[in-house]
Amino acid sequence: EDKVVQSPLSLVVHEGDTVTLNCSYEVTNFRSLLWYKQEKKAPTFLFMLTSSGIEKKSGRLSSILDKKELFSILNITATQTGDSAVYLCAIVSGSARQLTFGSGTQLTVLP
Amino acid sequence: KAGVTQTPRYLIKTRGQQVTLSCSPISGHRSVSWYQQTPGQGLQFLFEYFSETQRNKGNFPGRFSGRQFSNSRSEMNVSTLELGDSALYLCASSDQGARGGYTFGSGTRLTVV
Repeated sequence: EDKVVQSPLSLVVHEGDTVTLNCSYEVTNFRSLLWYKQEKKAPTFLFMLTSSGIEKKSGRLSSILDKKELFSILNITATQTGDSAVYLCAIVSGSARQLTFGSGTQLTVLP
Repeated sequence: KAGVTQTPRYLIKTRGQQVTLSCSPISGHRSVSWYQQTPGQGLQFLFEYFSETQRNKGNFPGRFSGRQFSNSRSEMNVSTLELGDSALYLCASSDQGARGGYTFGSGTRLTVV
């Protein structure tokens, strides 16, 4: 059974701090890893990672995948209060047409 | 390009009733999947449809069912509602099935009383 573990479960920082969120996984046949940000309702897509060692960047957010060690990290630099959300990591595996999610990291950015 | 549309946004139902939720995917997307989100269990996969066929089903009882129409719109149905079915039900659409990214709708908040 595929498994995704995120850490930490929650994190409180101040504006301007840099944070690193972790996602480790166990999967039979890896296809891709996705990061989402969920504020109130709909998770919004951040990144899709399929290859090891290639950093994806979008503004202050970046993410990288290590397929050998089976983990990914999501970095947020110069955090803002608007970054407060739950960050979800999910994997797609094998022929399964479904996302297996981790429990998420609740990030709170204080002014 | 319109996003994924889910209706209704909120529902309150009584135990034992049934409910139908609707999802309209992004135009051109043929894959629609459904997820249940609760504080205790997080996001859990219900089922996935592609071109009107259910391709994959999660570990939920038979009270949970779904279908997809020729225009890719999808519905999910929950019969004989239980208190534990109270959750946020999210629909996601994709244009590449398992390979591509998934775009989520805003969800339907179901409360069973």
